[in-house]
Amino acid sequence: GAVVSQHPSRVICKSGTSVKIECRSLDFQATTMFWYRQFPKKSLMLMATSNEGSKATYEQGVEKDKFLINHASLTLSTLTVTSAHPEDSSFYICSARRPGGSGANVLTFGAGSRLTVL
Amino acid sequence: GEDVEQSLFLSVREGDSSVINCTYTDSSSTYLYWYKQEPGAGLQLLTYIFSNMDMKQDQRLTVLLNKKDKHLSLRIADTQTGDSAIYFCAEGLMDSSYKLIFGSGTRLLVRP
Repeated sequence: GAVVSQHPSRVICKSGTSVKIECRSLDFQATTMFWYRQFPKKSLMLMATSNEGSKATYEQGVEKDKFLINHASLTLSTLTVTSAHPEDSSFYICSARRPGGSGANVLTFGAGSRLTVL
Repeated sequence: GEDVEQSLFLSVREGDSSVINCTYTDSSSTYLYWYKQEPGAGLQLLTYIFSNMDMKQDQRLTVLLNKKDKHLSLRIADTQTGDSAIYFCAEGLMDSSYKLIFGSGTRLLVRP
C-alpha cells in the first residue's frame, strides 16, 4: 500500500531558529502534497498545497515567508518553519496524493511531526 | 465557506455501539470521509462514502449520509477499547484540488 513518511517525528528548537520537516512518498510519485497544522484538541487546518515543480498554494492567513514549502521532486516535499517562535509549536501533518488514484482513496497521510519551540 | 462540525466527546462502554455525528455545509462535496487518529499519530482512513450514497457498511463500521440535512454519521458496532481515539469527518471538495476540510474531531473513550 501507499506509504508516506514524515521526518522528524519530534523536534525541539530554540526560538529564532528554522526547522525543516520532510514528507516523502515511499512507493509512489506524488505530484501534489498537502501540509496541515493541528492545534491541541483542535482540527486539522490546511496550510498549503504543495505542487511538484511549482510554487505552493497557501491558504488564506498562512504566511508564505514563515512557512516555506518546497516540492522539488515527485517524492519529497519540505516545510521549513523560519524564525520559529513558541506560537509555532504544533503538530504538522502532510498528505500526498497518489496520481491515478480514483475517487476517495487517493490521499495518504504521514504520521505527523510535533514541533516544540522553546 | 466550507465548515464541518462534530461533537467533541463521546464515552461508551465496551461492547456497546458508538455513533459519531458530523454536519457539513458544502452541498457540492464529492466524498465524505472518516479518519481515525490515535495519540501522537497521523490520520488513518477508516472509510468514506460517495455523496450520492445513503449508507455504506464495512465490517463493524456503518456510515449514514443524509444529504438533505448535510448530516453524516459513523456507527461502530461492538466498540472495543482499541477504538478509543479521535475521529475526524472530512469533506472532499468538488474541485480538482483534492483538498479535505476536516471537522474538529470527536474524542471517543471506550470504558471497560
